[in-house]
Amino acid sequence: GENVEQHPSTLSVQEGDSAVIKCTYSDSASNYFPWYKQELGKGPQLIIDIRSNVGEKKDQRIAVTLNKTAKHFSLHITETQPEDSAVYFCAASYNNNDMRFGAGTRLTVKP
Amino acid sequence: DTAVSQTPKYLVTQMGNDKSIKCEQNLGHDTMYWYKQDSKKFLKIMFSYNNKELIINETVPNRFSPKSPDKAHLNLHINSLELGDSAVYFCASSHSAYEQYFGPGTRLTVT
Repeated sequence: GENVEQHPSTLSVQEGDSAVIKCTYSDSASNYFPWYKQELGKGPQLIIDIRSNVGEKKDQRIAVTLNKTAKHFSLHITETQPEDSAVYFCAASYNNNDMRFGAGTRLTVKP
Repeated sequence: DTAVSQTPKYLVTQMGNDKSIKCEQNLGHDTMYWYKQDSKKFLKIMFSYNNKELIINETVPNRFSPKSPDKAHLNLHINSLELGDSAVYFCASSHSAYEQYFGPGTRLTVT
């Protein structure tokens, strides 16, 4: 089955700096890679996703890149703000079936 | 409001008891899921239901049983609760191969 590894486990940045979170996956059949943000006491919320037919996707301050050959994908947050502080999860699946999550990255943005 | 809702939000119970967690989605999705998030924030899929058929059944104890009375509901029944069942349980839903929307979670504490 799919195995997803996520790094780093914690990340602290200064407000305005960029943050990068990286994930690797093991199953070359995986074709859907979402990123979720989980705030304290809430459920995970989808912030961006990418499918295997594209290499990059951007939505305002958030971007995701995918390298299918190397089987890794990354989340990039630019101009970080204190409200970006949360736990971020990457995930991988084939057609949204049997979604496997990374272990999470706790991002802290210091004002 | 259109959303994925769960009840109860908190559940405290003793070992050996049987309990249920309810989940409802009014998004018109055809697939619903149950996830377990442990104390280290690791998210693991437990079950998913598509049109009343179980399509994923992770290696969870058979004390856990999902029940779907209709497409909008997927309840989780847990028999003979154990200390190790303490976790946050999330319900989610999606339309086939598209993004999953998570509920707010149910924090289960077994004493």
